[in-house]
Amino acid sequence: DVKVTQSSRYLVKRTGEKVFLECVQDMDHENMFWYRQDPGLGLRLIYFSYDVKMKEKGDIPEGYSVSREKKERFSLILESASTNQTSMYLCASSPLARQETQYFGPGTRLLVL
Amino acid sequence: AQSVTQLGSHVSVSEGALVLLRCNYSSSVPPYLFWYVQYPNQGLQLLLKYTSAATLVKGINGFEAEFKKSETSFHLTKPSAHMRDAAEYFCAVTMNTGNQFYFGTGTSLTVIP
Repeated sequence: DVKVTQSSRYLVKRTGEKVFLECVQDMDHENMFWYRQDPGLGLRLIYFSYDVKMKEKGDIPEGYSVSREKKERFSLILESASTNQTSMYLCASSPLARQETQYFGPGTRLLVL
Repeated sequence: AQSVTQLGSHVSVSEGALVLLRCNYSSSVPPYLFWYVQYPNQGLQLLLKYTSAATLVKGINGFEAEFKKSETSFHLTKPSAHMRDAAEYFCAVTMNTGNQFYFGTGTSLTVIP
């Protein structure tokens, strides 16, 4: 079974803090994705990566950055957390072929005070 | 541009009744279509996917969906609802170019005993 793990299930941070969300997948997938999920808005893509050290902006990249130094690990960074970044963050991975399924981690619920 | 519309953010059915969750897509070329389920405090799990083979797709937990090109629809159905089907359901589309998924805003299914 594909396994995507995220470093924290729940996280509480203060405004202005730097926040790291880590995601690891164990299936040698090329693609990795970060989404945020908010009620009534569904999933919105923040960034994705199709290879080590490669990244592409999604629909809402402002206020976020990412890092992919190893194939299995994709990190989301909030340089200076703000209250409007309180959300559920979901990581996903998929093989390179275009019709392939995305596999999701359990999510990190982030609260910024 | 691709997009997905899920009609009805909340659907309630009685236990044993038919489940119908609607999804319409906009796409200039045949897409790949997916339904995901999200149980409380969990990530998304694949229910089924359409990748241009049979138009009627059977998934896990008794769910199925039919791709109708003429109606640009991919509605999810289950003949008889169980209490354990209560969850959030997301329709998603991707194309044969690019790796990005486009998710609908989700439909929350409530099953009434």
